[in-house]
Amino acid sequence: VTLLEQNPRWRLVPRGQAVNLRCILKNSQYPWMSWYQQDLQKQLQWLFTLRSPGDKEVKSLPGADYLATRVTDTELRLQVANMSQGRTLYCTCNSGPYSGNTLYFGEGSRLIVV
Amino acid sequence: QQKVQQSPESLSVPEGGMASLNCTSSDRNFQYFWWYRQHSGEGPKALMSIFSDGDKKEGRFTAHLNKASLHVSLHIRDSQPSDSALYFCAARRTGYQNFYFGKGTSLTVIP
Repeated sequence: VTLLEQNPRWRLVPRGQAVNLRCILKNSQYPWMSWYQQDLQKQLQWLFTLRSPGDKEVKSLPGADYLATRVTDTELRLQVANMSQGRTLYCTCNSGPYSGNTLYFGEGSRLIVV
Repeated sequence: QQKVQQSPESLSVPEGGMASLNCTSSDRNFQYFWWYRQHSGEGPKALMSIFSDGDKKEGRFTAHLNKASLHVSLHIRDSQPSDSALYFCAARRTGYQNFYFGKGTSLTVIP
């Protein structure tokens, strides 16, 4: 059963251009939505967790700048800018921050810098 | 600083053999541990979780946790070619949303 739907699945991004990613939650039992990045060396790193509609956060990491927005209870967005190296962005969900709630991943949005 | 370390980086085992993967944490606040598996072109998928000292068995997979030494291991019995993937150890602190991941172990099962 698919919990998360991400799009686009991949995108060629001209250097200096921003790209917008979207994630749709298919099961309301897992309302805590997050973004993780996986770099070219396959390292996974947490970026943001946004629980409520209207939540917004920004972050700058080596190789990219991020703006995340929780649009609705089921939609999460991520704008990626100033990307210098390719990466894959994963949307995740789980049932809450407490105890041992498993993190579930979407299929990812792979970004390739051209 | 890498809070979750995994070894080995890569591992090859024959089909039907035993694969053993290791994970050590440097943060005593981590209470919850998972093993994830990622096949090429897919998102990581949770294999199993372990929160208490000792062994936890699910089919061909056995996880072991030693909280005193902050060491977690995963043993895959009767390895199959379909087990070939990247395996991640993940850890989490109580009350915090973010998971910390190791750099992964690449497992190849040779037919």
